[in-house]
This record gives sequence, C-alpha cells and structure tokens, in this order.
Amino acid sequence: AQSVTQLGSHVSVSEGALVLLRCNYSSSVPPYLFWYVQYPNQGLQLLLKYTSAATLVKGINGFEAEFKKSETSFHLTKPSAHMSDAAEYFCAVIFGTYKYIFGTGTRLKVLA
Amino acid sequence: GAGVSQSPSNKVTEKGKDVELRCDPISGHTALYWYRQSLGQGLEFLIYFQGNSAPDKSGLPSDRFSAERTGGSVSTLTIQRTQQEDSAVYLCASSFGTSDYEQYFGPGTRLTVT
Repeated sequence: AQSVTQLGSHVSVSEGALVLLRCNYSSSVPPYLFWYVQYPNQGLQLLLKYTSAATLVKGINGFEAEFKKSETSFHLTKPSAHMSDAAEYFCAVIFGTYKYIFGTGTRLKVLA
Repeated sequence: GAGVSQSPSNKVTEKGKDVELRCDPISGHTALYWYRQSLGQGLEFLIYFQGNSAPDKSGLPSDRFSAERTGGSVSTLTIQRTQQEDSAVYLCASSFGTSDYEQYFGPGTRLTVT
C-alpha cells in the first residue's frame, strides 16, 4: 500500500543547529512530494515541492529537501535553526492525480 | 490576494446536533478538498471536488458526513447527528489543478462536540 512515514514525532534542535526532518514514502512510481508547515492554530503552509524537475528543491525560510529515488526519501533540512522555525511539519505525497497522503507530522522544537 | 477562508473558526455543539462548515476557496481554483485533523489520526482526506462534482468521497467516515459545492466555488461540509469522535479540526484546501499543483489550505474549523 502507498504510504508516507515521518520518523520522529518530536525533534529538538538548538538555535543555529542543523534541522533534519525525515520523510520516506512507499511507491513503485515516483510521486509528487511536498513539505508543509503548520504554526499553532493556523492552516498548512507550503514550504516546498518536488515535481520531477531538480532533485534538490529549495523552499521558503531557508528550507530545502532532496529527492532520493533509490532511498524513497524526501528529507527536509535547514542549515541553521531559528526560534521562529518551531512548528509542526508535514510531508505529503500525491499518488495518482490529486489525493494527498500525509505523514503523521514532526513537531520541531528549537532550544535557545 | 485572498486565501482560502473557512467559517466558523470554532464551533462547539452538543452531541446529536447537525453542523455545517463552510469553505471559500481561492478564486479560480477548480479543485477543492476537505481534510480532518485529529489527535492520533493525523490528517485524513475526506472528499475531493472538481468543479461542482465530487469524484472521490472515499474518505467520508460515515453517511452522517456529506458535502456539496455550488457554483464551482463555496463548499459546505455537513455533519449530521454529531458524535464526540467527530471533534477535530476540519481543513479545507483548494488548488488550481491536480497532480503537481500544490494545495492551499484554510485556517480550519475547530469542531468540539460535547
């Protein structure tokens, strides 16, 4: 079955440290991949997306993600965490044409 | 420009009552989606509209849930005879197309069934 896995429901990093949020998918066909961020009491905001162009995708707020077909992964990174990055992050995959399958989310905490 | 809007932002209702949740998509977006976000269940797909038709209702959890879209714009999600397990945040999203078109999300309606 098609699925999306986010390893680590909670991740803590120090301010200025590398952020790495993991996302793996299962599919025989490379899907379209997205990362969204959700701040408290808000909807989801798109950070970046992969749609079969460049495998390294740059998004907003200094985030980027690399699509690795061999590892079926689309991990999200940011070189230096800011306090404002504290939020919940969701990896989403479209299998087929429209249906998003979301990961369970990773709550990022940034420590001063 | 205006994003996706949803109303009400919060709704508290008694068990057994009916509720209607409204979504105003971004103008020009033909696709509209409803999701439910609840503790322990993550984000669940409920229904997808293309124009006014709903080719995929597979995520609706029971026949108490229904949705419609009129004029290719506003959508209403109706929950009849609400149950406590319906308590969740209901998110609406719209997109210009499908496949690689990203979905734009509204702020959600937080439904609490007492």
